[in-house]
Amino acid sequence: KNEVEQSPQNLTAQEGEFITINCSYSVGISALHWLQQHPGGGIVSLFMLSSGKKKHGRLIATINIQEKHSSLHITASHPRDSAVYICAVDNTDKLIFGTGTRLQVFP
Amino acid sequence: NAGVMQNPRHLVRRRGQEARLRCSPMKGHSHVYWYRQLPEEGLKFMVYLQKENIIDESGMPKERFSAEFPKEGPSILRIQQVVRGDSAAYFCASSWDGLAKNIQYFGAGTRLSVL
Repeated sequence: KNEVEQSPQNLTAQEGEFITINCSYSVGISALHWLQQHPGGGIVSLFMLSSGKKKHGRLIATINIQEKHSSLHITASHPRDSAVYICAVDNTDKLIFGTGTRLQVFP
Repeated sequence: NAGVMQNPRHLVRRRGQEARLRCSPMKGHSHVYWYRQLPEEGLKFMVYLQKENIIDESGMPKERFSAEFPKEGPSILRIQQVVRGDSAAYFCASSWDGLAKNIQYFGAGTRLSVL
């Protein structure tokens, strides 16, 4: 069993839909990261959080430390949100990555 | 302020040759991390370095792979006697301080193809 599990693996949506991507982990962490990998391969850090909730534009990330679970929400999704979203946990100063959720948003 | 710079973006090597991948962290960052993404697989940690020191190399294969981050110049990931299984995207990231305190900034990656 992977230490970081994401669901779903693949997700398709119509423009405007509300998107939720889930991440569960089984190790102790000091922080959790959400990353976005574009079709061209580049990686962008979206959030780093250790408790509660963070919001940036249409993106919201939440974490529940007791349940070892985090969610990434995208409101009013747009085709440019199409990418792979990766959850990663900080375990003793190195990141352990989930396998990613591939999101496609159609107009 | 330039971001994390990796070069080359694409590297083609024949089996048995050496591959050198370079990473210049963001200005002011002294922590560098290398990750590997095999085709159709997730990212995997390889090594964590601070200036002139390897902090954690638990994810790096024991043979043929080495990494350095000298006092001056970029961090280098070196793969000797490459094999086809080394074909992957190699990403470098940097942070100002240790990981738990700061977001990591990623480079665009180097895509290594071994023929």
